Amino acid sequence: AQSVTQLDSQVPVFEEAPVELRCNYSSSVSVYLFWYVQYPNQGLQLLLKYLSGSTLVKGINGFEAEFNKSQTSFHLRKPSVHISDTAEYFCATGTFGNEKLTFGTGTRLTIIP
Amino acid sequence: GAVVSQHPSWVICKSGTSVKIECRSLDFQATTMFWYRQFPKQSLMLMATSNEGSKATYEQGVEKDKFLINHASLTLSTLTVTSAHPEDSSFYICSARIGTSPYNEQFFGPGTRLTVL
Repeated sequence: AQSVTQLDSQVPVFEEAPVELRCNYSSSVSVYLFWYVQYPNQGLQLLLKYLSGSTLVKGINGFEAEFNKSQTSFHLRKPSVHISDTAEYFCATGTFGNEKLTFGTGTRLTIIP
Repeated sequence: GAVVSQHPSWVICKSGTSVKIECRSLDFQATTMFWYRQFPKQSLMLMATSNEGSKATYEQGVEKDKFLINHASLTLSTLTVTSAHPEDSSFYICSARIGTSPYNEQFFGPGTRLTVL
């Protein structure tokens, strides 16, 4: 069985500063990974996904994530955040051949003006 | 982008009653829909997977007689919480996927908050 850990439940960041949201996974088989964002009163939206190939994945809104197999991580980064990035961010993983996604507990990103 | 709606957005009911939650894909046809449950400060937990026209597949520990799922069309899935009790109070989220590949994006609804008194 796989699991996903998002160690930071809340991350406050000043506007225009860089941010990294951490995600670690545990699985005995190869995984694919997603980052979703949830804005207030809205459903989760896909930011980016990693299936295979290049370990650096670029997503929407200037976000990117790097898959690190040796560290079993898939951290999300943005070089300069904006007020509009205030939201809840979820990391999720699945294993090939299985359509079930396992989600982390989420990280609330708060941008400080 | 693809939009998924849920209705109602919140509902309060008395213990012992049944509640139906609708999940609709508004601008696409969804072969597969998923139902999740989310407790405060916890992750989304998959309850069941439903494919249009067939019976839902429930995750271990989820009572299929209590959480009835119907996926009668490619744009509508319903979750009925039967004989609801306070411990069923939670945030229920549905998602819909285009096609059958598990790597395709799931489009999520905004969720339904159920409170059972």
